[in-house]
Amino acid sequence: GENVEQHPSTLSVQEGDSAVIKCTYSDSASNYFPWYKQELGKGPQLIIDIRSNVGEKKDQRIAVTLNKTAKHFSLHITETQPEDSAVYFCAASIRSSGNQFYFGTGTSLTVIP
Amino acid sequence: GAVVSQHPSWVICKSGTSVKIECRSLDFQATTMFWYRQFPKQSLMLMATSNEGSKATYEQGVEKDKFLINHASLTLSTLTVTSAHPEDSSFYICSARDGQRHTDTQYFGPGTRLTVL
Repeated sequence: GENVEQHPSTLSVQEGDSAVIKCTYSDSASNYFPWYKQELGKGPQLIIDIRSNVGEKKDQRIAVTLNKTAKHFSLHITETQPEDSAVYFCAASIRSSGNQFYFGTGTSLTVIP
Repeated sequence: GAVVSQHPSWVICKSGTSVKIECRSLDFQATTMFWYRQFPKQSLMLMATSNEGSKATYEQGVEKDKFLINHASLTLSTLTVTSAHPEDSSFYICSARDGQRHTDTQYFGPGTRLTVL
């Protein structure tokens, strides 16, 4: 089955700096890659996603890049703010397999004011 | 749009009792709902996938007789933890797919914190 690895597990950045979180996946059939933000005691919230026919997607301060050949995708947050502090999860899924998500292990991001 | 609610948000129960958790899609029809379990500082572990009107598909290692899942309508799925024990204490989260939009996205509920004494 699919295996998703996520790095780093913890990340601290100064407010205003950029943060990058990287994920790799093992199954080349995976074709959908969402990123979720989870605040303490809450459910994950979708922040951005990308499909395998696209190499990059951007939404204001957040961007995701996908390298299908290398089987890795990354989340980029620019101009970080304290409210960006949370745990971020990447996931990979294969539409034909019923859309089961395979999650990474999470990255705890702390933005220092 | 795409809001998923869960009820209750937290529950404390005695060992041996059963607890029911509801998951509702508020503004869309969810043909497929998923139930996850999350331990502190860990990732989400898929427990089961439920399709409206059919039996849930459980992941390996998840006891179907202990974690009863019902997806009786396009907007409601329930998870019942039967004969709960302290080791069942965890954060349970549901998610739902919008069947009408035919998207891959899963929208998550806010989670339910279960504590079994």
